[in-house]
Amino acid sequence: GAVVSQHPSWVICKSGTSVKIECRSLDFQATTMFWYRQFPKQSLMLMATSNEGSKATYEQGVEKDKFLINHASLTLSTLTVTSAHPEDSSFYICSARDFSLAGGLDEQFFGPGTRLTVL
Amino acid sequence: AQSVTQLDSQVPVFEEAPVELRCNYSSSVSVYLFWYVQYPNQGLQLLLKYLSGSTLVKGINGFEAEFNKSQTSFHLRKPSVHISDTAEYFCAVSDRDTGNQFYFGTGTSLTVIP
Repeated sequence: GAVVSQHPSWVICKSGTSVKIECRSLDFQATTMFWYRQFPKQSLMLMATSNEGSKATYEQGVEKDKFLINHASLTLSTLTVTSAHPEDSSFYICSARDFSLAGGLDEQFFGPGTRLTVL
Repeated sequence: AQSVTQLDSQVPVFEEAPVELRCNYSSSVSVYLFWYVQYPNQGLQLLLKYLSGSTLVKGINGFEAEFNKSQTSFHLRKPSVHISDTAEYFCAVSDRDTGNQFYFGTGTSLTVIP
């Protein structure tokens, strides 16, 4: 089945630094990837939709200058949290679509998540 | 836009008892339906999905769900739960009218009691 990886799985950083999270589709090409944020005991909130070769589409209330998304290839999207602060601490999950699946199945495959802690 | 409601935030159930986790969504037009399970500090794992066809969908780990268009529901069931089923469960709806954007419910925490 389709596999999505994330790196790193967890990261601790100082306030004011930038952190990059990678999302890779390992065995399929993903023209579209999604970035979600999940607070403890809460659901996933879509942050942005990342399309290969074009600018990401951000959800309302998400600061595009703070959460930089780059989808440079069909298998890699990156989320950079710039000038991170403690309130950015969260669980970040990416997902990817595999449009090549039979019947045009529109399923999202989720990465294992990245736990970001900003001190 | 869709809204997805999971009516129970926490469900405790004894081991080997049946369980039903409820999910309702706002509109049944052009949707795909999913149930995901999340174990602590992990990503989401697909349990089952409804795309079309039979309204009763069987998934992994003995789970099944039934799509009810008239009631706009997609409840998840398992006839006999195990300790290992303790996890967070999310219902999700993919809305084809908005470019197949996913809408997630708030999650149901299932705790299986020995």
